Amino acid sequence: NAGVMQNPRHLVRRRGQEARLRCSPMKGHSHVYWYRQLPEEGLKFMVYLQKENIIDESGMPKERFSAEFPKEGPSILRIQQVVRGDSAAYFCASSPPGLSGNYGYTFGSGTRLTVV
Amino acid sequence: AQTVTQSQPEMSVQEAETVTLSCTYDTSESDYYLFWYKQPPSRQMILVIRQEAYKQQNATENRFSVNFQKAAKSFSLKISDSQLGDAAMYFCAYRRGSNDMRFGAGTRLTVKP
Repeated sequence: NAGVMQNPRHLVRRRGQEARLRCSPMKGHSHVYWYRQLPEEGLKFMVYLQKENIIDESGMPKERFSAEFPKEGPSILRIQQVVRGDSAAYFCASSPPGLSGNYGYTFGSGTRLTVV
Repeated sequence: AQTVTQSQPEMSVQEAETVTLSCTYDTSESDYYLFWYKQPPSRQMILVIRQEAYKQQNATENRFSVNFQKAAKSFSLKISDSQLGDAAMYFCAYRRGSNDMRFGAGTRLTVKP
């Protein structure tokens, strides 16, 4: 029973390129959350998705960032025209369906994005 | 909006000693969940312990225990018999229902041999 799978583990992009980060939740988990962690800081919420629906994107920058969780396949966090300030570790987490707040998330290992 | 505050950016403890990490939070809700996560240098987020707000009894997991003071909105983590492998960043987190989890800024714990 694989955990939350994120790839790639490391991603280097030049300024202006696009970055695509992938997340496959744990089997049976239909809720996906994306967080960003800047160096020496905590995790900042970006977006919460269920299959084919964005539930809460209040933490996502209005421009250049988008997320999806299609019916089939992994969740994708997409950053267009990356800038140096986008360099960070991006974590995906998943949890089971229903009101399951008593469960902590299961986290992926993160993708470290470096913009050069 | 719910906020989580960890007022100790860094803490250190001697191996085999006990250390307490502080966390306070702000919420108007009565039903929620609190968590402590550990992040070692590998960057993996590891769930250490969780507490349901409706339970008065403090959660315990082996050497890890919490002091949950609901009225004071305080949720501290006590690590007993500290081990070198406990060295990591520790994050306190709040969650209500299936909503997103809110994290504090973290406390870096150093364990001295």
